[in-house]
Amino acid sequence: EADIYQTPRYLVIGTGKKITLECSQTMGHDKMYWYQQDPGMELHLIHYSYGVNSTEKGDLSSESTVSRIRTEHFPLTLESARPSHTSQYLCASSEYSRQGYEQYFGPGTRLTVT
Amino acid sequence: AQSVTQLDSQVPVFEEAPVELRCNYSSSVSVYLFWYVQYPNQGLQLLLKYLSGSTLVKGINGFEAEFNKSQTSFHLRKPSVHISDTAEYFCAVSDRGRDDKIIFGKGTRLHILP
Repeated sequence: EADIYQTPRYLVIGTGKKITLECSQTMGHDKMYWYQQDPGMELHLIHYSYGVNSTEKGDLSSESTVSRIRTEHFPLTLESARPSHTSQYLCASSEYSRQGYEQYFGPGTRLTVT
Repeated sequence: AQSVTQLDSQVPVFEEAPVELRCNYSSSVSVYLFWYVQYPNQGLQLLLKYLSGSTLVKGINGFEAEFNKSQTSFHLRKPSVHISDTAEYFCAVSDRGRDDKIIFGKGTRLHILP
């Protein structure tokens, strides 16, 4: 059972507002990820982290920023939301072992910017 | 560069009928392969994964997939579907040993008809 949480699940907000999407995991995984998902499209990696104080941009350019001050917490921030940011945002974590690995996903945050 | 092609964006199938969801990948290196399922308003959940060994992989909820290296395919099958299988299914690929770079397909929506 994956223990990865995202809040809020749904958010409707006006243009220009600053927002933070929360993601927490209790599995002690070093690696965490943020994906953006639009209907009918593949997941696009926008940010990832290999551990505390490590953050990297993903394959899809994003105006959002992330931080990793604690292992279990990987919040994503939009300084000034725009309608183009309307999307679903999925957080995930993973750990590599001899048994292989998988990415565990949170339930997602569906963001609508009006 | 790696890529994943899911040939069908939507697949309608009658309840209790068999189903196959197709997935082809391209990669210049050895790969790990995954199928994830996303139920409405939820995050992604791992169905099954191929890391090595037997090319027939069994997963949860009665699903299985077969890795075919010569055809670079990893098709997902279930002999008899239920209404509860209605969901979006994502095929994904990563380089062997790299859990931080998983490439997802665009997904296939499975519609179960009564």
